[in-house]
Amino acid sequence: EIVLTQSPATLSLSPGERATLSCRASQSVSTYLAWYQQKPGQAPRLLIYDASNRATGIPARFSGSGSGTDFTLTISSLEPEDFAVYYCQQRNNWVTFGPGTKVDIK
Amino acid sequence: VQLVESGGGLVQPGGSLRLSCAASGFTFSSYAMSWVRQAPGKGLEWVSAISGSGGSTYYGDSVKGRYIISRDNSKNTLDLQMNSLRAEDTAVYFCARDLDAATVNWSFDLWGRGTLVTVSS
Repeated sequence: EIVLTQSPATLSLSPGERATLSCRASQSVSTYLAWYQQKPGQAPRLLIYDASNRATGIPARFSGSGSGTDFTLTISSLEPEDFAVYYCQQRNNWVTFGPGTKVDIK
Repeated sequence: VQLVESGGGLVQPGGSLRLSCAASGFTFSSYAMSWVRQAPGKGLEWVSAISGSGGSTYYGDSVKGRYIISRDNSKNTLDLQMNSLRAEDTAVYFCARDLDAATVNWSFDLWGRGTLVTVSS
């Protein structure tokens, strides 16, 4: 099973700041990595697929990069609605999710 | 375009439960579908998937041999039959649509709101 590790566990930032979230895979997943946002009581929302492709309707402030085992989700300037938990997910070998990074308000 | 789950509830350990997911607003038969669960306060865990035609099914190790996924493309519904339930199966169960209509993609672009399954005596 491919294990995904996300860091940091919690990221405390202010609106307008840049957020950089990391996801590391226990073995190469090529570019078969997605990022999701989840708010309390809601379903996850697909942000990025295949490492760097924004899903339909996702604002340009969200971007993804990486390949192999190291990936990054960047939110260029945090909006109030961006404070949430973010999960990475690989699909190279079945499907596994990372444990999540919580982005909260500083 | 939406997915609506139903069928959750309280069940005793060793019992069974059947979840359903009603799809609307898109060509259901074109998309592979998955179930993903989330234990209270925890992260996401992929459970099972089925191809658009229903001819191929896939299961995570934690549910293999206990859960059965199926679909009825004439009714636009996805089901999950859960047997031999354990306390660790307690979770919100989401149905999710595959991103790509052409093949099994394993990224999920449409999710339902989920249904809670509680396994407890």
